[in-house]
Amino acid sequence: LAKTTQPISMDSYEGQEVNITCSHNNIATNDYITWYQQFPSQGPRFIIQGYKTKVTNEVASLFIPADRKSSTLSLPRVSLSDTAVYYCLVGTGANNLFFGTGTRLTVIP
Amino acid sequence: GAVVSQHPSRVICKSGTSVKIECRSLDFQATTMFWYRQFPKQSLMLMATSNEGSKATYEQGVEKDKFLINHASLTLSTLTVTSAHPEDSSFYICSASPRGSGRGNTDTQYFGPGTRLTVL
Repeated sequence: LAKTTQPISMDSYEGQEVNITCSHNNIATNDYITWYQQFPSQGPRFIIQGYKTKVTNEVASLFIPADRKSSTLSLPRVSLSDTAVYYCLVGTGANNLFFGTGTRLTVIP
Repeated sequence: GAVVSQHPSRVICKSGTSVKIECRSLDFQATTMFWYRQFPKQSLMLMATSNEGSKATYEQGVEKDKFLINHASLTLSTLTVTSAHPEDSSFYICSASPRGSGRGNTDTQYFGPGTRLTVL
């Protein structure tokens, strides 16, 4: 089971791009990388998922280098409402279930 | 699509009573659902995997007789906290994966809104 390591917290000003990196040195060949966002007293919300290179959707981009030992979630032009905890999960199916500490992002006006 | 609901959203009960929490997948079928617990300022901790038509699989350290899980249909799983005590007060979250929701070998988990349990 691949363990993930993320910064505990980050601060950013409104309107800036935020990049949160997750390390997963023991990622397995079949593992995918999934990021979730969680607001206080709510369930996590799916943001993005990828396997390699780059994935982009309407809310974020996910960059994965060739060795796949890390990944970076990129949030363009953050707003105050992006203040939340962001979790990186690595695994496949039933193994994609274990949450690390997450990164607490605080967006400052 | 891929909406998961939980009921109730919050519950307050007296010590010694049992509390049932429902988790429903509203627009998809889920043969497997998952139950998590989250204490304040901490990450989610997987409690058990709920399998439709069979017994749940509990994580190490989670008492199966205290946290009863029933997965009666492809859209409903229930978690019953039996003889609840103040230390069971927590935020309980369920999740489910629609078949083929992810890419390749993985299925994306979708989470319910959570249930805040307070035991007095």
